[in-house]
Amino acid sequence: DQQVKQNSPSLSVQEGRISILNCDYTNSMFDYFLWYKKYPAEGPTFLISISSIKDKNEDGRFTVFLNKSAKHLSLHIVPSQPGDSAVYFCAAVVIQGAQKLVFGQGTRLTINP
Amino acid sequence: NAGVMQNPRHLVRRRGQEARLRCSPMKGHSHVYWYRQLPEEGLKFMVYLQKENIIDESGMPKERFSAEFPKEGPSILRIQQVVRGDSAAYFCASSPPAGERKQFFGPGTRLTVL
Repeated sequence: DQQVKQNSPSLSVQEGRISILNCDYTNSMFDYFLWYKKYPAEGPTFLISISSIKDKNEDGRFTVFLNKSAKHLSLHIVPSQPGDSAVYFCAAVVIQGAQKLVFGQGTRLTINP
Repeated sequence: NAGVMQNPRHLVRRRGQEARLRCSPMKGHSHVYWYRQLPEEGLKFMVYLQKENIIDESGMPKERFSAEFPKEGPSILRIQQVVRGDSAAYFCASSPPAGERKQFFGPGTRLTVL
């Protein structure tokens, strides 16, 4: 049962353009969402997060949007840079109990010069 | 400020041997999590520990896997009698106390079972 889904395994974007990565979830108990970036042979690095009481959070070139009614969130990167090429994981946390993260399968983003 | 440390980075074991993976959380963090990533998949939660306590082990296989976080020293993920299906990247994450949702990950241990 995949509670967090990233339906696009890969995405290719031209340098300078906007990258939009999508994530859907099924569990309405999730109350906090995070995006992580991962390079090969390294651990995930935290990028940005959003609480379920908000619909937008911005940090520099990165913006996360949350649509609770659609159970959908997206990460916007603008402008995209070559160093943004990595695998991006969406993760969600359940309100109660342990703070375990539930991850999507990841989207491999490639920024083309 | 050192991040989450994991060792070894790479570990090769033959079937039937034991694997021990170590994790030292970030300074000031008292919560440790272990995740496993199989090839081409996302990370899957295994276990959540605080000092001397297992809080949630709902993601741990019922047999051969165990984890501890002693009062002194790193957290240990132990896999007994490894099988080929245990080959994966194992990541440790830590977070500070008091409800912080953000977790910081170590570089991972890549376990290969021959």
